[in-house]
Amino acid sequence: GIQVEQSPPDLILQEGANSTLRCNFSDSVNNLQWFHQNPWGQLINLFYIPSGTKQNGRLSATTVATERYSLLYISSSQTTDSGVYFCAVDNTNAGKSTFGDGTTLTVKP
Amino acid sequence: DTAVSQTPKYLVTQMGNDKSIKCEQNLGHDTMYWYKQDSKKFLKIMFSYNNKELIINETVPNRFSPKSPDKAHLNLHINSLELGDSAVYFCASSPRATSTDTQYFGPGTRLTVL
Repeated sequence: GIQVEQSPPDLILQEGANSTLRCNFSDSVNNLQWFHQNPWGQLINLFYIPSGTKQNGRLSATTVATERYSLLYISSSQTTDSGVYFCAVDNTNAGKSTFGDGTTLTVKP
Repeated sequence: DTAVSQTPKYLVTQMGNDKSIKCEQNLGHDTMYWYKQDSKKFLKIMFSYNNKELIINETVPNRFSPKSPDKAHLNLHINSLELGDSAVYFCASSPRATSTDTQYFGPGTRLTVL
C-alpha cells in the first residue's frame, strides 16, 4: 500500500512563531487531506488538497502532486493550534484514506 | 447540531464481553467509515460502507462486525473483547465513496478493555 511520512514528528514553538509541516507520499494520489486533532481528541478537517494551494486564515497548504509531497504552513501560531496534525492520502478511488503518523505540535505561551 | 455523532463517548468493559458503538451522521452523506486510533495515535481504517453496502474491509478480526441499517447509521459490534482492542474508535462520513471527498469525523469512542 501507499506509504505516508510526516515530518517532523514533534515540534515545539513559542506563540507567534511560524511553522511548516511536511507530508511525503510514495505514490500518486487522488485525495490528500490535512487534519488537526486537538488535545480533546477531536479530528477536524483543515484542507482537502490533492494539488495546488489553499489558504484558510493563518493556515495554508500546498501539494505538489508530481513530486509527491504536501506542506502545511501555520503562521503566527497560537496555543490553540497545539495538537497532532495528520496528513491522509488516498490512491484507491474508493475513499480508503491512509494516515501518516502525525506531527505533534506544542505552542507555548 | 452535531454532524457525526457517536455513542457512547467512553466505554469500559471486561475482557470477553460483547459491546456495540453507534454512529449517526446528519449530513446526508452516502459513505461512512470506522477508524481505530491506538495508544500511539496511529489512525487506521477498518471498514467503510456506501449506501449500506460494505466496500472496504481491512484486515480486521471477524470479532468486529459493522452494521449499517441505513445510510445515516453505521454501528460497530465487537464480540469477545480483548485487551488489544483498547483504543479510540472514530466514525467518519463523506459524500461519496470516492477519493475526491472530504471526510468528517465524529468525536470518537474511547474503549478500555480490562
